[in-house]
Amino acid sequence: AQTIHQWPVAEIKAVGSPLSLGCTIKGKSSPNLYWYWQATGGTLQQLFYSITVGQVESVVQLNLSASRPKDDQFILSTEKLLLSHSGFYLCAWSLEGGSSDYTFGSGTRLLVI
Amino acid sequence: GEQVEQRPPHLSVREGDSAIIICTYTDSATAYFSWYKQEAGAGLQLLMSVLSNVDRKEEQGLTVLLNKKDKRLSLNLTAAHPGDSAVYFCAVSANSGTYQRFGTGTKLQVVP
Repeated sequence: AQTIHQWPVAEIKAVGSPLSLGCTIKGKSSPNLYWYWQATGGTLQQLFYSITVGQVESVVQLNLSASRPKDDQFILSTEKLLLSHSGFYLCAWSLEGGSSDYTFGSGTRLLVI
Repeated sequence: GEQVEQRPPHLSVREGDSAIIICTYTDSATAYFSWYKQEAGAGLQLLMSVLSNVDRKEEQGLTVLLNKKDKRLSLNLTAAHPGDSAVYFCAVSANSGTYQRFGTGTKLQVVP
């Protein structure tokens, strides 16, 4: 069975500090991977997607970057956090080739102070 | 680009009643339609997805209707129970499947 794991569960970080969030998918090779951001009480905004190792496409610019160093790993990062980065970050995967069936991780809650 | 409107933003129903959530979209090329449930502080759980060639799908007390002419997608929870209380999101995507746009969410409260 496939599993998706996000880390850390929660973070409190200072403005201007760096950030790295991780996502690992086990039990599925070559998945499509996605990062979403959700403001408190808001909808989900897709940030990045990746269809293969080393390839990441940006959907919206929020002074964040993403990388896929391994087939099963997706990293979201920034060198300088902004207050507006606070929120809930969700990683998801779907079958290669595109599918409406996204499986989401349990998310990382980020508070920037 | 694609616009997705979802209503109502808040919905309160009594246990055993039906709850209906509606999404409208703008892009006629939209091919995939999904409904997700998000419980407090948690990730999203896929409830049901349909392709554009499906008008109606029923599973375990949930009914999804797709009206392509009106570009309207609905989710009907029949006989809602307190465990259904959560935020529900619709999501749509085009044929590529690599970009999914979400609705604004509906917070459902089922009162015993």
